[in-house]
Amino acid sequence: DGGITQSPKYLFRKEGQNVTLSCEQNLNHDAMYWYRQDPGQGLRLIYYSQIVNDFQKGDIAEGYSVSREKKESFPLTVTSAQKNPTAFYLCASTKLTGLNQPQHFGDGTRLSIL
Amino acid sequence: GENVEQHPSTLSVQEGDSAVIKCTYSDSASNYFPWYKQELGKRPQLIIDIRSNVGEKKDQRIAVTLNKTAKHFSLHITETQPEDSAVYFCAAGNYQLIWGAGTKLIIKP
Repeated sequence: DGGITQSPKYLFRKEGQNVTLSCEQNLNHDAMYWYRQDPGQGLRLIYYSQIVNDFQKGDIAEGYSVSREKKESFPLTVTSAQKNPTAFYLCASTKLTGLNQPQHFGDGTRLSIL
Repeated sequence: GENVEQHPSTLSVQEGDSAVIKCTYSDSASNYFPWYKQELGKRPQLIIDIRSNVGEKKDQRIAVTLNKTAKHFSLHITETQPEDSAVYFCAAGNYQLIWGAGTKLIIKP
């Protein structure tokens, strides 16, 4: 069954700690994205990657880092430099071949501060 | 920077009536306009999309219209049902999407 898997579903971060959110897809999609969603708000782009070993900053990249070592995987690290990390994080992917394709989302990770 | 404005932020309609949500975008290079539905705590799911070479698209009770000259597109839901209650997001772009802030749609029984 094809799709995007995010883990964990819930995550708690202590002061000064880095945490990593996992995103894996088996859709053979080229591009992957990380969004942050705050209560009552839309999606804001953190990072995106169109090809392995390459990624670009989105609108709110400060305090976050990513890697794209495999086509299937695009983990997001929330560093201690991100002072307000509490949010719902969504990973998405899309085909690049054929412009203007829909983005498919994972179920999200809810991150809270302890 | 580029942005997408979405109105209204909350919309309450009687079951069976129609609902209309409107979005305006700033980037004239945008060619792709999807609409997503998000239920509480769940992933956004694509409900309909339209590309810039088309002015209108319909799928059962859902339709989207696009006016590229005015940089404006709208979602229309007819014969609303309780399961239509959710937050709806519009977006505009090409490879990257700029998202609206969302509309909470409430269907009153």
